[in-house]
Amino acid sequence: GESVGLHLPTLSVQEGDNSIINCAYSNSASDYFIWYKQESGKGPQFIIDIRSNMDKRQGQRVTVLLNKTVKHLSLQIAATQPGDSAVYFCADYTGANSKLTFGKGITLSVRP
Amino acid sequence: DTGVSQNPRHKITKRGQNVTFRCDPISEHNRLYWYRQTLGQGPEFLTYFQNEAQLEKSRLLSDRFSAERPKGSFSTLEIQRTEQGDSAMYLCASSLVGTGYGYTFGSGTRLTVV
Repeated sequence: GESVGLHLPTLSVQEGDNSIINCAYSNSASDYFIWYKQESGKGPQFIIDIRSNMDKRQGQRVTVLLNKTVKHLSLQIAATQPGDSAVYFCADYTGANSKLTFGKGITLSVRP
Repeated sequence: DTGVSQNPRHKITKRGQNVTFRCDPISEHNRLYWYRQTLGQGPEFLTYFQNEAQLEKSRLLSDRFSAERPKGSFSTLEIQRTEQGDSAMYLCASSLVGTGYGYTFGSGTRLTVV
Protein backbone atom coordinates (compact mmCIF):
# COMPACT_ATOMS: atom_id res chain seq x y z
CA GLY A 1 0.00 0.00 0.00
CA GLU A 2 0.98 3.65 0.09
CA SER A 3 3.53 4.57 2.69
CA VAL A 4 5.41 7.45 4.16
CA GLY A 5 8.82 6.64 5.57
CA LEU A 6 11.81 8.25 7.20
CA HIS A 7 15.38 7.58 6.13
CA LEU A 8 17.10 7.54 9.54
CA PRO A 9 15.88 6.50 12.99
CA THR A 10 17.94 9.01 15.06
CA LEU A 11 19.56 12.38 14.63
CA SER A 12 21.90 14.05 17.11
CA VAL A 13 22.73 17.73 16.69
CA GLN A 14 24.57 20.39 18.66
CA GLU A 15 22.48 23.11 20.24
CA GLY A 16 22.43 26.10 17.94
CA ASP A 17 23.08 24.10 14.78
CA ASN A 18 20.50 23.59 12.06
CA SER A 19 18.70 20.25 11.84
CA ILE A 20 17.44 18.57 8.71
CA ILE A 21 15.04 15.65 8.89
CA ASN A 22 14.18 13.83 5.69
CA CYS A 23 11.21 11.76 4.63
CA ALA A 24 10.21 9.79 1.54
CA TYR A 25 6.61 9.30 0.49
CA SER A 26 4.94 7.17 -2.13
CA ASN A 27 1.40 8.53 -2.48
CA SER A 28 1.42 11.03 -5.34
CA ALA A 29 -2.25 11.80 -4.70
CA SER A 30 -1.67 13.33 -1.27
CA ASP A 31 -3.12 16.81 -0.78
CA TYR A 32 -1.00 17.86 2.17
CA PHE A 33 2.27 16.82 3.76
CA ILE A 34 2.66 17.52 7.43
CA TRP A 35 5.36 17.38 10.07
CA TYR A 36 4.46 16.46 13.63
CA LYS A 37 6.51 16.58 16.81
CA GLN A 38 5.81 14.14 19.60
CA GLU A 39 7.21 14.44 23.10
CA SER A 40 7.18 11.59 25.57
CA GLY A 41 3.70 10.88 26.91
CA LYS A 42 2.00 13.33 24.56
CA GLY A 43 0.10 13.16 21.33
CA PRO A 44 1.54 14.40 18.03
CA GLN A 45 1.79 18.17 17.82
CA PHE A 46 1.47 19.97 14.51
CA ILE A 47 4.62 21.79 13.38
CA ILE A 48 4.12 22.81 9.78
CA ASP A 49 2.42 21.61 6.63
CA ILE A 50 2.71 22.12 2.90
CA ARG A 51 0.15 21.71 0.18
CA SER A 52 1.06 19.37 -2.62
CA ASN A 53 1.16 22.23 -5.15
CA MET A 54 3.90 24.06 -3.24
CA ASP A 55 7.60 23.32 -2.90
CA LYS A 56 8.58 25.38 0.12
CA ARG A 57 6.93 26.83 3.18
CA GLN A 58 8.48 28.67 6.09
CA GLY A 59 7.35 29.02 9.65
CA GLN A 60 9.01 30.23 12.80
CA ARG A 61 12.46 28.57 12.80
CA VAL A 62 11.12 25.75 10.60
CA THR A 63 11.01 25.25 6.85
CA VAL A 64 9.44 22.40 4.94
CA LEU A 65 10.62 21.51 1.46
CA LEU A 66 8.70 19.29 -0.93
CA ASN A 67 10.31 17.69 -3.97
CA LYS A 68 7.59 15.95 -5.92
CA THR A 69 9.98 14.73 -8.59
CA VAL A 70 11.73 12.39 -6.17
CA LYS A 71 8.85 12.21 -3.65
CA HIS A 72 10.91 13.68 -0.86
CA LEU A 73 9.95 15.89 2.07
CA SER A 74 12.28 17.57 4.51
CA LEU A 75 12.00 19.57 7.70
CA GLN A 76 14.67 22.12 8.50
CA ILE A 77 14.91 23.49 12.04
CA ALA A 78 17.07 26.57 12.44
CA ALA A 79 19.15 27.14 15.58
CA THR A 80 18.06 23.89 17.20
CA GLN A 81 17.22 24.19 20.88
CA PRO A 82 17.00 21.60 23.68
CA GLY A 83 13.23 21.95 23.57
CA ASP A 84 13.29 20.60 20.01
CA SER A 85 14.34 17.19 21.33
CA ALA A 86 11.48 14.85 20.44
CA VAL A 87 10.32 12.27 17.93
CA TYR A 88 9.38 13.75 14.57
CA PHE A 89 6.93 12.22 12.11
CA CYS A 90 6.08 13.09 8.57
CA ALA A 91 2.55 12.38 7.44
CA ASP A 92 0.44 12.84 4.37
CA TYR A 93 -3.23 13.63 4.08
CA THR A 94 -5.56 12.81 1.25
CA GLY A 95 -8.93 14.53 1.25
CA ALA A 96 -10.49 11.68 -0.68
CA ASN A 97 -10.14 9.30 2.26
CA SER A 98 -9.84 11.88 5.05
CA LYS A 99 -6.96 10.10 6.76
CA LEU A 100 -3.47 10.92 7.87
CA THR A 101 -0.83 8.32 7.03
CA PHE A 102 2.25 8.52 9.22
CA GLY A 103 5.77 7.33 8.65
CA LYS A 104 8.03 5.87 11.32
CA GLY A 105 9.43 8.35 13.80
CA ILE A 106 12.90 9.82 13.93
CA THR A 107 14.32 10.88 17.27
CA LEU A 108 15.99 14.27 17.36
CA SER A 109 18.47 14.65 20.22
CA VAL A 110 19.97 18.06 20.91
CA ARG A 111 23.38 18.10 22.62
CA PRO A 112 24.02 21.07 24.94
CA ASP B 1 -12.15 24.50 25.47
CA THR B 2 -8.76 23.00 26.25
CA GLY B 3 -8.31 20.71 23.26
CA VAL B 4 -8.88 16.99 22.85
CA SER B 5 -9.17 15.16 26.14
CA GLN B 6 -8.62 11.44 26.60
CA ASN B 7 -9.28 9.30 29.65
CA PRO B 8 -7.78 7.42 31.27
CA ARG B 9 -4.18 8.40 30.53
CA HIS B 10 -2.92 4.99 31.50
CA LYS B 11 -4.62 1.61 31.79
CA ILE B 12 -3.12 -1.68 32.90
CA THR B 13 -5.34 -4.69 32.43
CA LYS B 14 -5.07 -8.45 32.54
CA ARG B 15 -5.31 -10.41 29.35
CA GLY B 16 -8.90 -11.33 28.58
CA GLN B 17 -10.44 -8.31 30.31
CA ASN B 18 -12.48 -5.65 28.55
CA VAL B 19 -11.37 -2.02 28.55
CA THR B 20 -13.04 1.20 27.45
CA PHE B 21 -11.42 4.53 26.62
CA ARG B 22 -13.08 7.89 26.25
CA CYS B 23 -12.30 10.82 23.99
CA ASP B 24 -13.78 14.31 24.28
CA PRO B 25 -13.01 16.27 21.10
CA ILE B 26 -12.85 20.02 20.61
CA SER B 27 -16.48 21.04 20.95
CA GLU B 28 -17.05 22.50 17.49
CA HIS B 29 -15.24 19.68 15.69
CA ASN B 30 -17.53 17.27 13.87
CA ARG B 31 -14.94 14.67 12.89
CA LEU B 32 -13.34 12.34 15.39
CA TYR B 33 -10.56 9.86 14.68
CA TRP B 34 -9.00 6.97 16.57
CA TYR B 35 -5.41 5.95 15.94
CA ARG B 36 -3.16 3.33 17.53
CA GLN B 37 0.55 3.85 18.07
CA THR B 38 3.12 1.26 19.06
CA LEU B 39 6.61 2.10 20.30
CA GLY B 40 8.80 3.73 17.65
CA GLN B 41 6.06 3.71 15.05
CA GLY B 42 3.83 6.41 13.68
CA PRO B 43 0.15 6.36 14.57
CA GLU B 44 -2.02 3.99 12.51
CA PHE B 45 -5.59 4.82 11.57
CA LEU B 46 -8.32 2.77 13.21
CA THR B 47 -11.63 4.50 12.53
CA TYR B 48 -13.33 7.85 12.21
CA PHE B 49 -16.70 9.47 12.75
CA GLN B 50 -18.42 12.41 11.21
CA ASN B 51 -20.92 13.54 13.80
CA GLU B 52 -22.40 10.27 15.10
CA ALA B 53 -21.83 8.26 11.91
CA GLN B 54 -18.88 5.89 11.77
CA LEU B 55 -17.67 6.39 8.21
CA GLU B 56 -14.68 4.10 7.97
CA LYS B 57 -12.98 1.31 9.88
CA SER B 58 -9.48 0.01 9.28
CA ARG B 59 -8.72 -3.67 8.86
CA LEU B 60 -6.69 -3.19 12.03
CA LEU B 61 -9.97 -2.88 13.91
CA SER B 62 -10.77 -6.50 14.66
CA ASP B 63 -14.15 -7.74 15.87
CA ARG B 64 -12.94 -7.26 19.44
CA PHE B 65 -12.79 -3.51 18.91
CA SER B 66 -15.84 -1.29 18.82
CA ALA B 67 -16.13 2.48 18.74
CA GLU B 68 -19.13 4.67 19.29
CA ARG B 69 -20.00 8.33 19.17
CA PRO B 70 -23.65 8.24 20.18
CA LYS B 71 -24.46 11.95 20.29
CA GLY B 72 -21.84 13.23 17.92
CA SER B 73 -19.77 14.61 20.78
CA PHE B 74 -17.56 12.30 22.90
CA SER B 75 -16.51 8.88 21.67
CA THR B 76 -15.64 5.58 23.33
CA LEU B 77 -13.35 2.82 22.12
CA GLU B 78 -13.89 -0.58 23.68
CA ILE B 79 -11.58 -3.55 23.39
CA GLN B 80 -13.02 -6.90 24.42
CA ARG B 81 -10.99 -9.89 25.55
CA THR B 82 -7.76 -7.93 25.47
CA GLU B 83 -4.58 -9.56 24.17
CA GLN B 84 -0.97 -8.62 24.82
CA GLY B 85 -0.73 -7.42 21.23
CA ASP B 86 -3.29 -4.75 22.05
CA SER B 87 -0.73 -2.95 24.21
CA ALA B 88 -0.21 0.43 22.59
CA MET B 89 -1.02 4.11 22.82
CA TYR B 90 -4.54 4.87 21.62
CA LEU B 91 -4.81 8.37 20.23
CA CYS B 92 -7.89 10.38 19.49
CA ALA B 93 -7.98 13.39 17.18
CA SER B 94 -10.70 15.74 16.04
CA SER B 95 -11.18 18.12 13.14
CA LEU B 96 -13.77 20.34 11.50
CA VAL B 97 -15.01 19.45 8.04
CA GLY B 98 -14.09 22.11 5.51
CA THR B 99 -10.88 23.17 7.26
CA GLY B 100 -8.56 20.75 5.49
CA TYR B 101 -7.14 18.03 7.65
CA GLY B 102 -6.84 20.33 10.69
CA TYR B 103 -6.29 17.51 13.18
CA THR B 104 -5.82 18.15 16.86
CA PHE B 105 -4.59 15.13 18.77
CA GLY B 106 -5.20 14.24 22.38
CA SER B 107 -2.45 12.96 24.65
CA GLY B 108 -3.59 9.39 24.26
CA THR B 109 -4.41 6.45 26.51
CA ARG B 110 -1.50 4.10 27.15
CA LEU B 111 -2.80 0.52 27.39
CA THR B 112 -0.68 -2.23 28.86
CA VAL B 113 -2.04 -5.77 28.76
CA VAL B 114 -0.31 -8.14 31.19
